[in-house]
Amino acid sequence: DQQVKQNSPSLSVQEGRISILNCDYTNSMFDYFLWYKKYPAEGPTFLISISSIKDKNEDGRFTVFLNKSAKHLSLHIVPSQPGDSAVYFCAASTEYSGGGADGLTFGKGTHLIIQP
Amino acid sequence: DAMVIQNPRYQVTQFGKPVTLSCSQTLNHNVMYWYQQKSSQAPKLLFHYYDKDFNNEADTPDNFQSRRPNTSFCFLDIRSPGLGDAAMYLCATSYRRDTQYFGPGTRLTVL
Repeated sequence: DQQVKQNSPSLSVQEGRISILNCDYTNSMFDYFLWYKKYPAEGPTFLISISSIKDKNEDGRFTVFLNKSAKHLSLHIVPSQPGDSAVYFCAASTEYSGGGADGLTFGKGTHLIIQP
Repeated sequence: DAMVIQNPRYQVTQFGKPVTLSCSQTLNHNVMYWYQQKSSQAPKLLFHYYDKDFNNEADTPDNFQSRRPNTSFCFLDIRSPGLGDAAMYLCATSYRRDTQYFGPGTRLTVL
């Protein structure tokens, strides 16, 4: 049972345009949501997070939107740059996941390709 | 630079031969995690330490064990690796709810 879903395995966007990566979740107990970027042969790099009490968080070119009623969040990257080409993971946590831990539940990732 | 370090980056072991993966951190974070990521799949939490308190995921096989001798170090022991245990193993640290910091991972190959 996949609690965090990223339904687009890949996304191609032209350089300079907006990239929108989507994520859906099923567990209403999730209260923090995080986005990570991963290059091949490297560990995930934290990008941005959002608490469930907010509906938007912005950091530079990255903005995350949360729609709790739809159990949906999205990451917007504006403008997209060639270095943004990577796999993006959506992750969620709840104080009660992982046996009481703050372990993250990840989606399978979306491979973002920025075309020149 | 403060960071999460994993050694080795690549580990090859034989079927059934015990192997230990190492993680160290200079961030002084109180929580350390181990995740397993198989090809084209989501990283999956195996277990974590909150300070010295060990928390095991319900579906983590008994073949996987962990040790945290001090704040800086955490080890993942695979007692009898099978072919299905070939994966990327990611260590992460945290001190607050809204982020975790990951190491570069150890790619385990089982022959």
